[in-house]
Amino acid sequence: GENVEQHPSTLSVQEGDSAVIKCTYSDSASNYFPWYKQELGKRPQLIIDIRSNVGEKKDQRIAVTLNKTAKHFSLHITETQPEDSAVYFCAASSGGNYQLIWGAGTKLIIKP
Amino acid sequence: DAGVIQSPRHEVTEMGQEVTLRCKPISGHNSLFWYRQTMMRGLELLIYFNNNVPIDDSGMPEDRFSAKMPNASFSTLKIQPSEPRDSAVYFCASSFGYSTGELFFGEGSRLTVL
Repeated sequence: GENVEQHPSTLSVQEGDSAVIKCTYSDSASNYFPWYKQELGKRPQLIIDIRSNVGEKKDQRIAVTLNKTAKHFSLHITETQPEDSAVYFCAASSGGNYQLIWGAGTKLIIKP
Repeated sequence: DAGVIQSPRHEVTEMGQEVTLRCKPISGHNSLFWYRQTMMRGLELLIYFNNNVPIDDSGMPEDRFSAKMPNASFSTLKIQPSEPRDSAVYFCASSFGYSTGELFFGEGSRLTVL
């Protein structure tokens, strides 16, 4: 079955610097890749998603890139701010939300 | 819309007791998910309903867990009898449609079984 690996488990960056979180997946049929942000004690919330027919998607300071050949996708956050501190989860699916396979999460720490 | 509403937000109970968690999805959403989150195992899908019908319950840990969705606006997750290893945050989420798209999570129910 599908397996999603996420790295690193913890990432600490200086405020204003960029952060990159990477996920790899095993099922070449996967075609939907969302990223969720979970602040401490809060619910996960979708921040960006990408489908397999595009290689990159941007939304202000956030971007996701997808390399279907290598079967990996990455979250890029530029000009990091304190409110970016959270746990970020990637996921992959080949056929519907209920088939989402989740990464283990990355704790992003923004140092002032 | 108020979003996905879960209750209770916190539950502390003793081993062997019955626990019932409740969820009201966003109006108009026809897909509902129950997730469990722990530090060790991350986010685990327990069960998925579409149009009130359980489609995939392969994530339900064992017979002590059961879930129902009697109508489009209400679902329950029941644990009977509860055990300490059931301690976790249980999230309900809903979405529109059967395919992909945003999952809207509730605030979660933090369960502690002593």
